[in-house]
Amino acid sequence: GENVEQHPSTLSVQEGDSAVIKCTYSDSASNYFPWYKQELGKRPQLIIDIRSNVGEKKDQRIAVTLNKTAKHFSLHITETQPEDSAVYFCAASGFNKFYFGSGTKLNVKP
Amino acid sequence: GAVVSQHPSRVICKSGTSVKIECRSLDFQATTMFWYRQFPKQSLMLMATSNEGSKATYEQGVEKDKFLINHASLTLSTLTVTSAHPEDSSFYICSARDRASGQYFGPGTRLTVT
Repeated sequence: GENVEQHPSTLSVQEGDSAVIKCTYSDSASNYFPWYKQELGKRPQLIIDIRSNVGEKKDQRIAVTLNKTAKHFSLHITETQPEDSAVYFCAASGFNKFYFGSGTKLNVKP
Repeated sequence: GAVVSQHPSRVICKSGTSVKIECRSLDFQATTMFWYRQFPKQSLMLMATSNEGSKATYEQGVEKDKFLINHASLTLSTLTVTSAHPEDSSFYICSARDRASGQYFGPGTRLTVT
């Protein structure tokens, strides 16, 4: 099955700085890569996603890049704000199933 | 947007009893629903994939006789934890997939087995 690895497990940045979270996947059949933000005690919320036929996607301060050859994808958050503090999960999906990375706890210090 | 509800949000049960958790897609039809388990400060672990009208597909290591899944309609899937034990205490989250392949999560159910 699919194996998704996510790094780093924790990330602390100063408000206004950028944050980058990286994931790798193992199954070349995976073709959909969403990113979720989960605040404490709440459900994961989809923040951005990318499909395998696209290399980069941007939505305001959030961007995702995908390198299919290397089987890795990354989340970039620019101009971080305290409300960005949460746990972020990457996921890889193919043939209907979703597999999640281990999560990154992002702490944005004011 | 797509809304998924889950009921109950919290449940406490005694060891040996069974608990049913419902997952509903409120404004879209979900041919596929997923059940995840999440331990504190850990990632979501896929337990099973539930397709409407057919048997659920369980991930390796998940006991299908213990975690009974029923997906009777395009908007409802249920997870029943049978003969619950304290080690079953966890946060259970469902998600539903719409036709555009988006996956939307329910709010989760906190199960505590005493």
